[in-house]
Amino acid sequence: QQPVQSPQAVILREGEDAVINCSSSKALYSVHWYRQKHGEAPVFLMILLKGGEQKGHEKISASFNEKKQQSSLYLTASQLSYSGTYFCGTEWTGNTGKLIFGQGTTLQVKP
Amino acid sequence: GAGVSQSPSNKVTEKGKDVELRCDPISGHTALYWYRQRLGQGLEFLIYFQGNSAPDKSGLPSDRFSAERTGESVSTLTIQRTQQEDSAVYLCASSLRGRNNSPLHFGNGTRLTVT
Repeated sequence: QQPVQSPQAVILREGEDAVINCSSSKALYSVHWYRQKHGEAPVFLMILLKGGEQKGHEKISASFNEKKQQSSLYLTASQLSYSGTYFCGTEWTGNTGKLIFGQGTTLQVKP
Repeated sequence: GAGVSQSPSNKVTEKGKDVELRCDPISGHTALYWYRQRLGQGLEFLIYFQGNSAPDKSGLPSDRFSAERTGESVSTLTIQRTQQEDSAVYLCASSLRGRNNSPLHFGNGTRLTVT
């Protein structure tokens, strides 16, 4: 039941774009995206809700395809600060906030 | 407090000993979650609290693991008779309402090493 993320790892140069995908085998109420830097706590990036509402606070965009039970995170014009491990967290019930996380995608941005 | 606080930040214990890990959530957050993260791995759900009750304990690995929450605030995760496979970072998170549109705010975790 754990969502599957792809790719597992990405290496970019500054200014390049990346897409991280998250696929679920179950219907989703919401998808959360978090970034974790080495030795630090995961930090919230964005929530995508069933019905299309998107909530976030960084210049990173995402999509949520309810029919395909997939979400994608788009990182455009990447910066060095984007380096870290990205996790998608999926919720199926809509009333607990309990998230099941994917295995993570490690992103390294080089100068 | 300003964020989720966890203590201790590091804990080294001998196999077979009991340990207690503490989490202080953000004030006013009704929902609290415990996750485990093994080295280089993802976040594994352990237990979820809404207020002081735990409607979902499905992620607790065995009966050696237990957790409680009091005063709709502090939570303690207890691991009895620790084993080497319990070594991991234990992360606590809280959210305002425990709904699908509430972000999780994570603490910095407790790194547990069982020798």
